[in-house]
Amino acid sequence: EDQVTQSPEALRLQEGESSSLNCSYTVSGLRGLFWYRQDPGKGPEFLFTLYSAGEEKEKERLKATLTKKESFLHITAPKPEDSATYLCAVHSGNTGKLIFGQGTTLQVKP
Amino acid sequence: EAQVTQNPRYLITVTGKKLTVTCSQNMNHEYMSWYRQDPGLGLRQIYYSMNVEVTDKGDVPEGYKVSRKEKRNFPLILESPSPNQTSLYFCASKPQGSYEQYFGPGTRLTVT
Repeated sequence: EDQVTQSPEALRLQEGESSSLNCSYTVSGLRGLFWYRQDPGKGPEFLFTLYSAGEEKEKERLKATLTKKESFLHITAPKPEDSATYLCAVHSGNTGKLIFGQGTTLQVKP
Repeated sequence: EAQVTQNPRYLITVTGKKLTVTCSQNMNHEYMSWYRQDPGLGLRQIYYSMNVEVTDKGDVPEGYKVSRKEKRNFPLILESPSPNQTSLYFCASKPQGSYEQYFGPGTRLTVT
């Protein structure tokens, strides 16, 4: 069964304290792994797409990496404006569906 | 500005009163989809459409209907809403051949 699990559920950091969010997945025929950012009361905003193990993408303080079983979203020297829920999703080649994890809610305190 | 729009953004209704949530995109995307988001359950797909007049069930289609008469619009219809359909709803779209979906701002629905 296709499944996506994110950990931790919640993460509180001090400004400047780097950390990583985890997304573990099992999927038949991975067509892509996606990271989204969601602010309260808003729709998910696309961040990254990763297609194959070993691939990495960067954007400002965020860096996403992918292995055959999991993806990490590394946050370097976070700022309060990075506070949001980060969603991971995989596109299943078997079902053609986008399967979401439950998200990690990040709070960065000044 | 390229975007997905939804209306209304907030809706409180009573059990059994039919309602429609509209979704429109201005990016000429072929694929459109509806999701609901519930605490602890994440985003779950309700229905999707690969193109005009082509729709299919997602993971949680019970109690919902959709139609795709025009490429830009994909309304979600609740014929007889029930309290278990209280949720946050998102419409999304993507171009053919891409896996990256773009989401609307959400509609918060409360059914009493």
